[in-house]
Amino acid sequence: DIQLTQSPSFLSASVGDRVTITCRASQGISSYLAWYQQKPGKAPKLLIYAASTLQSGVPSRFSGSGSGTEFTLTISSLQPEDFATYYCQQLNSYVFTFGPGTKVDIK
Amino acid sequence: EVQLVESGGGLVQPGGSLRLSCAASGFTFSSYEMNWVRQAPGKGLEWVSYISSSGSTIYYADSVKGRFTISRDNAKNSLYLQMNSLRAEDTAVYYCARVSFMWRGDRYYYFDYWGQGTLVTVSS
Repeated sequence: DIQLTQSPSFLSASVGDRVTITCRASQGISSYLAWYQQKPGKAPKLLIYAASTLQSGVPSRFSGSGSGTEFTLTISSLQPEDFATYYCQQLNSYVFTFGPGTKVDIK
Repeated sequence: EVQLVESGGGLVQPGGSLRLSCAASGFTFSSYEMNWVRQAPGKGLEWVSYISSSGSTIYYADSVKGRFTISRDNAKNSLYLQMNSLRAEDTAVYYCARVSFMWRGDRYYYFDYWGQGTLVTVSS
């Protein structure tokens, strides 16, 4: 099965900061990658799919890039509502693995 | 409006069984592939199982294979997860999630709608 790692596991940042989260796959997955945001007690919310396509309604400060084994999620200017945990997910095979998550906290 | 509402969670003893349901509305349920995803307390997301729109194709995570059974009733707009031989490590919030895809020479899948989750606690 394809394994995903995320770095960092935890990130402390301030409002207005540019934030980058990296997701690495154990083998090439082309662009079959999605990013989700989850806040405590809530279901995950889709942000990005196909590695770089922004889901409808998601603010343009979120962007995704990468292909193969290395991917990034970038928040261009962190807003108060962006403090949450972010997960990548591979959809290259029908074992839809999630990464371990990156928690973005307030500095 | 797309809605997914899970039910059926609760407290069950180790070795016991539970059946989760997910009621779908606001879209043509029979046209969409579906999944179950779970999240243990304080932990990350774990994909559990996938079912095709017709129910003919099914996949499971190794951690639940042979113990859990996914199914659907398109006439009732409902998704199910039958969980047998439950273990303490199955304790989690269970989410149902709809699969959509973008066509770009191939299917680029994503989970676009999620339910609010139902908590399953396995404990004696």
